[in-house]
Amino acid sequence: DTEVTQTPKHLVMGMTNKKSLKCEQHMGHRAMYWYKQKAKKPPELMFVYSYEKLSINESVPSRFSPECPNSSLLNLHLHALQPEDSALYLCASSLLTGSSGNTIYFGEGSWLTVV
Amino acid sequence: AQSVAQPEDQVNVAEGNPLTVKCTYSVSGNPYLFWYVQYPNRGLQFLLKYITGDNLVKGSYGFEAEFNKSQTSFHLKKPSALVSDSALYFCAVRGGSGNTGKLIFGQGTTLQVKP
Repeated sequence: DTEVTQTPKHLVMGMTNKKSLKCEQHMGHRAMYWYKQKAKKPPELMFVYSYEKLSINESVPSRFSPECPNSSLLNLHLHALQPEDSALYLCASSLLTGSSGNTIYFGEGSWLTVV
Repeated sequence: AQSVAQPEDQVNVAEGNPLTVKCTYSVSGNPYLFWYVQYPNRGLQFLLKYITGDNLVKGSYGFEAEFNKSQTSFHLKKPSALVSDSALYFCAVRGGSGNTGKLIFGQGTTLQVKP
């Protein structure tokens, strides 16, 4: 089973709202990722968690706040977003970050629209 | 620095004909190469990867890819295209000297298979 589950599938939020995206995997993976993808463009890495600790933050604005409550769950808290933050947000996981041969598996994504 | 190039924005092929989606890479050291497919309004699905060993790698849905070290290429191929193969394809690389395990994506190639 190579499944990464993301909720919600679609989210519309105002610029003053606070919302969260959720991600779950039960593959025993200890690396989890958040990516942002604009239409027909490659995904852009936002954050990497390794063993539930934040290991990479790709200079993401503080209005995006990741959280890894345990080895299976990853959240992305959203606050005071801008319309240009509208995108597909992809969660992904892999066995470990240190071994580059490990496959990164992606979820179906959460479509975010900021109005 | 690692990089991946997909020289074609779009590839058009008739159903039943062979298809090739091109990818070249630049990395110092040993590359780990991946192909992902993204169907409309979906997340990324892993197709196949090259780590080491045989230069011809077989993957999901009848796809295969050929690793060519001298030409630094990793082209995706399928002997007989299906209309359902129409999607956005991403080549990606991890590894190499100094790599943090980040997945570096190409810009993507849209495959259009016509009946």
